[in-house]
Amino acid sequence: DVKVTQSSRYLVKRTGEKVFLECVQDMDHENMFWYRQDPGLGLRLIYFSYDVKMKEKGDIPEGYSVSREKKERFSLILESASTNQTSMYLCASSFREGNQPQHFGDGTRLSIL
Amino acid sequence: AQKITQTQPGMFVQEKEAVTLDCTYDTSDPSYGLFWYKQPSSGEMIFLIYQGSYDQQNATEGRYSLNFQKARKSANLVISASQLGDSAMYFCAMREGGSSNTGKLIFGQGTTLQVKP
Repeated sequence: DVKVTQSSRYLVKRTGEKVFLECVQDMDHENMFWYRQDPGLGLRLIYFSYDVKMKEKGDIPEGYSVSREKKERFSLILESASTNQTSMYLCASSFREGNQPQHFGDGTRLSIL
Repeated sequence: AQKITQTQPGMFVQEKEAVTLDCTYDTSDPSYGLFWYKQPSSGEMIFLIYQGSYDQQNATEGRYSLNFQKARKSANLVISASQLGDSAMYFCAMREGGSSNTGKLIFGQGTTLQVKP
């Protein structure tokens, strides 16, 4: 079975802190994605990566950065956390072929106080 | 621009009955894919079913089937013989097509399904 592991299920941080969310997949997927999920808005893509050291902005990249130094790991970084970044964050991975589903981690509920 | 619309914020269904969750999409690309995911209250996103735009037959996976009407640009999910464990939020998503084919998905807003005993 595909396993996508996010480092934390729940996380509480303070405004202005630098926050790291880690995601690891074990299926040798080329693509990895970070989403945030807010009530009534569905999932919105923050950043994605289609290869090591490659990254592309999604729909809402402001206030975030990412790092992909190894194929299996994709990190989301909140440079200076703000209260409007309180949300559910979901990581996903997939093979490059477009008909392959994305497989998701369990999500991280992040609260910024 | 590509868009996914789920017009039903919430649905109720009696246990053992069938239920249809609506999804319409908008794209000018002839090549695209449609996915349905289930998200229980625990938060994880579970892939249910996939339909490609060139597939001749409607996709089926166990109790899940996809009613794909290409001309109407709809891809409704049908769950047969509902179970209490089907209570969850359901998302319809579309793969971005064309030459980029990055595997990016566009998600609808979701439909919350509650199964009554």
